[in-house]
Amino acid sequence: GAGVSQSPSNKVTEKGKDVELRCDPISGHTALYWYRQSLGQGLEFLIYFQGNSAPDKSGLPSDRFSAERTGGSVSTLTIQRTQQEDSAVYLCASSRLAPNTEAFFGQGTRLTVV
Amino acid sequence: SQQGEEDPQALSIQEGENATMNCSYKTSINNLQWYRQNSGRGLVHLILIRSNEREKHSGRLRVTLDTSKKSSSLLITASRAADTASYFCATDEDTGNQFYFGTGTSLTVIP
Repeated sequence: GAGVSQSPSNKVTEKGKDVELRCDPISGHTALYWYRQSLGQGLEFLIYFQGNSAPDKSGLPSDRFSAERTGGSVSTLTIQRTQQEDSAVYLCASSRLAPNTEAFFGQGTRLTVV
Repeated sequence: SQQGEEDPQALSIQEGENATMNCSYKTSINNLQWYRQNSGRGLVHLILIRSNEREKHSGRLRVTLDTSKKSSSLLITASRAADTASYFCATDEDTGNQFYFGTGTSLTVIP
């Protein structure tokens, strides 16, 4: 695709429900990142995929968070039993070769847990 | 994990003035990048400087890197109202793969 695509753009969910956030990276980009940004804050690293290597999950805040990347392309970030503190913008980025090239970001998914 | 830290947190200048933002980090790096974010959504890549480079230019942007001080600066010359945004530095540890972002500088350019 022309750029990194994330869906949905906005998601409002009730506390306790599960949500899935999707990221479609730029074709040919082997590296894919998920970040979380709370209002007015910096970016918090969540998880990193590079080719067929085991993902780096060191940033996931709890076992309610998981992510997968199918076929080295599309990635899904799943949050189970959402809590109000999960409310944030979830940003996905991809790059050709990590870490020596620029990362291209999607427009993010704004998650609101009510 | 390391994280860059930008300084100042907020900066307000008149159109036409220069804006300087600083970034400090903690460990050895391969590269340092600067990104811009409008309205709290997607980030746009501005410039990448490698650890063996000291200065880089791109249009009205000038980036310096001092690896001995573990710091970088971003200079925007002849600022415009459209430069109003948040600016983040991102670093990668030379033993790792992820980008670590700082907390950002919020720049306001007053027309």
